[in-house]
Amino acid sequence: DGGITQSPKYLFRKEGQNVTLSCEQNLNHDAMYWYRQDPGQGLRLIYYSQIVNDFQKGDIAEGYSVSREKKESFPLTVTSAQKNPTAFYLCASSMSGSGIDTQYFGPGTRLTVL
Amino acid sequence: KQEVTQIPAALSVPEGENLVLNCSFTDSAIYNLQWFRQDPGKGLTSLLLIQSSQREQTSGRLNASLDKSSGRSTLYIAASQPGDSATYLCAVGGITDKLIFGTGTRLQVFP
Repeated sequence: DGGITQSPKYLFRKEGQNVTLSCEQNLNHDAMYWYRQDPGQGLRLIYYSQIVNDFQKGDIAEGYSVSREKKESFPLTVTSAQKNPTAFYLCASSMSGSGIDTQYFGPGTRLTVL
Repeated sequence: KQEVTQIPAALSVPEGENLVLNCSFTDSAIYNLQWFRQDPGKGLTSLLLIQSSQREQTSGRLNASLDKSSGRSTLYIAASQPGDSATYLCAVGGITDKLIFGTGTRLQVFP
């Protein structure tokens, strides 16, 4: 059963803690993406990766970090430097990063800072 | 800088109506435009992808059109059903390889 999985579904973080959100895909896609969704603001791109061991900052990368050691995995770490991390986080993948392919999305992780 | 706007922000219609959702973008230099559906608390599901060389795409009761010169796309939903209730997002893909999203139209179809 091909697709994108994200875990956990809900995540609670205390202020000052780093947390890591998992994203895995078995679609054999080269490109992967992380978005943040806030109410009334649509999706904003945090980081994206077009190939293993390479990634680029999106529009709101400050306070976040990523790695791409394997084609299937693109974890996102929300660091304590992110001032307002409470949001819904969505991971996506596409066959290539050329901009012409459909992006497929995971079910999302809702992060709440206590 | 590309900006994507969706109007209306919310729409409530009775079952059976045909309806149109609008998406506009400021920079016509796009590769494609995609329409997504998002159910509450869920991820996005791709509905239709229109390449820049195409004028429209159809899937079942859905039809999406693209007019690059005017910076507009419409999503037409025929014979709406309560199961169509969701938020519909459009996104523009451009030379930067990124998708730029609109803020969505929240649709409610009541029986």
